[in-house]
Amino acid sequence: QSALTQPASVSGSPGQSITISCTGTSSDVGGHNYVSWYQQHPGKAPKLIIYEVSNRPSGVSNRFSGSKSGNTASLTISGLQAEDETDYYCSSYTSSSTLVFGGGTKLTV
Amino acid sequence: QVQLVESGGGVVQPGRSLRLSCAASGFTFSSYGMHWVRQAPGKGLEWVAAIWYDGSNEYYADSVKGRFTIFRENSKNTLSLQLTSLRGEDTAMYYCARDLLGSGGGLDYWGQGTLVTVSS
Repeated sequence: QSALTQPASVSGSPGQSITISCTGTSSDVGGHNYVSWYQQHPGKAPKLIIYEVSNRPSGVSNRFSGSKSGNTASLTISGLQAEDETDYYCSSYTSSSTLVFGGGTKLTV
Repeated sequence: QVQLVESGGGVVQPGRSLRLSCAASGFTFSSYGMHWVRQAPGKGLEWVAAIWYDGSNEYYADSVKGRFTIFRENSKNTLSLQLTSLRGEDTAMYYCARDLLGSGGGLDYWGQGTLVTVSS
């Protein structure tokens, strides 16, 4: 159950777009479409922003989008805003019927 | 509205046990799989355990297998996590979360967390 690999940090200017990658294996990310993304502000519980690779829950801005290619999933945030500055985590279902998270990415705007 | 409220955290000595609870409301609890996820201070999220909507199947992270037990009482809308043989590395905020589709493909509601500190 090795953690998925995310960049420790990414940065972008207001209005720009950034992409956060999440790399796993064929036993998790590459094996199915049960990949999700979470946003977590300091001291708060995580918030689901993308589920099943590319679906947005109701109420989540369409500036957030997800995709996947092979063993790597990606989260793209367009039109960066100051409020987007926080931590982001990916997660994947695994072939062992467990979940695994990425190490997290700190976004600086 | 959907609410998940954890309780039961605290300071416990290494080797001792603790039971965490998660009270669910605002949705049909018996229709959803549930998870426990933890976060050590200043660290990332770590999945701990999951249980099917009807309690018929449980799954655990290798780091807690054999020491932690997840269970639920659908009649009381309650999810629990029994922690035994606690270690320092179990110190973390423990969150319960609802599985949106029962596939692990998205945890859509989270509690505020309960803090477990393992220390002598």
